[in-house]
Amino acid sequence: GAGVSQSPSNKVTEKGKDVELRCDPISGHTALYWYRQSLGQGLEFLIYFQGNSAPDKSGLPSDRFSAERTGGSVSTLTIQRTQQEDSAVYLCASSSDREMHNEQFFGPGTRLTVL
Amino acid sequence: AQTVTQSQPEMSVQEAETVTLSCTYDTSESNYYLFWYKQPPSRQMILVIRQEAYKQQNATENRFSVNFQKAAKSFSLKISDSQLGDTAMYFCAFTNTGNQFYFGTGTSLTVIP
Repeated sequence: GAGVSQSPSNKVTEKGKDVELRCDPISGHTALYWYRQSLGQGLEFLIYFQGNSAPDKSGLPSDRFSAERTGGSVSTLTIQRTQQEDSAVYLCASSSDREMHNEQFFGPGTRLTVL
Repeated sequence: AQTVTQSQPEMSVQEAETVTLSCTYDTSESNYYLFWYKQPPSRQMILVIRQEAYKQQNATENRFSVNFQKAAKSFSLKISDSQLGDTAMYFCAFTNTGNQFYFGTGTSLTVIP
């Protein structure tokens, strides 16, 4: 399977707990993107990585959100002290590089439910 | 700031007929790319078609074509000979950098047998 994978596929957590979402991009893809998709909303851009670097973190909704990428491959999105409004589907996408014409390949997403 | 607007939350079309999904955007940039992505019920988004702003010719991919009106900042998607497998959410997206992509709120398309 050469596509983008995400884990877990579903996560239910209690308010106030920390969660970690994982994204495995397509091998060789240098650009990686995180989005949040809330019910009835479009995709909200969170952050992008070029290699291991995230030049612009302004899309993260609050300081409870952080993301990292190691080895130019796997990325994790961490949400600390989760709130009910964090409930959404979190999508990861990768592309061969950050040229604007490039197709993004999306993972199946992680559905996060905060009780 | 860049914005993308899809004003049709839901649409339906009879199988084999043609449907057009609307998208407008706002930008002050001169070069950019526009995309239509499809998200079937299985949730995985896939690219349908893309258009570079500098190209006047409308992009076409088999049954999918766009009507790109740069002056009007409009980028509609036409689906011809609609098939049941076209049932999905369709998102219009914009980028002028490749760093950040702006998506609309989506149009839910149902193809009726």
